[in-house]
Amino acid sequence: QVQLQESGPGLVKPSETLSLTCTVSTGSIIDYYWSWIRQPAGKGLEWIGRIYSSGSTNYNPSLKSRVTMSVDTSKNQFSLKLSSVTAADTAVYYCARDLGSSALGDWGPGTLVTVSS
Amino acid sequence: DIQMTQSPSTLSASVGDRVTITCRASQSISIWLAWFQQKPGKAPKLLIYKASSLESGVPSRFSGSGSGTEFTLTISSLQPDDFATYYCQQYDNYPYNFGQGTKLEMK
Repeated sequence: QVQLQESGPGLVKPSETLSLTCTVSTGSIIDYYWSWIRQPAGKGLEWIGRIYSSGSTNYNPSLKSRVTMSVDTSKNQFSLKLSSVTAADTAVYYCARDLGSSALGDWGPGTLVTVSS
Repeated sequence: DIQMTQSPSTLSASVGDRVTITCRASQSISIWLAWFQQKPGKAPKLLIYKASSLESGVPSRFSGSGSGTEFTLTISSLQPDDFATYYCQQYDNYPYNFGQGTKLEMK
């Protein structure tokens, strides 16, 4: 198991860019996929996308035009940027390790991002 | 996109009950299905992967079955700690959609 921790601003203004980082500890970021998932208050889970340690990405088509993921192997971190945010992007954002055939085995505790002026 | 539909949305049960939650995919996903348990204010926890493989450390009262488009999560004897919301997720095709969730509540 690895430990993951999301970090970033808890408040973002409408039309601006949401930026989050996930730090991976007690394990290496190399040779794994890393995912972002979000959950609006009282609602279900939405898969945002994933990135491989090499930088290869797969995004949810519903968000693809606004999402950028990146990875920094030297810092054992990966990041999410979501542009042109609206109130509908207010949610708890989770990062997770994608074990491929073994699914999303390790999750961060989540971080609440509120979009409001 | 593959749509995942869980039933029921809410399930009322008592300690000791055997409970089953169903997840249906809008097209075949082979065995590429996971089940998660989520408690309020916490991250989801992986219970089952590849439809029927039990994640390490998860009690054996949890089991998963199915393939293709229909899957089930069974809890053989409900314990107090099991009252939570359960989600299925397909990871056969992008986007890796989740079901809408099943809230398991105390009767």
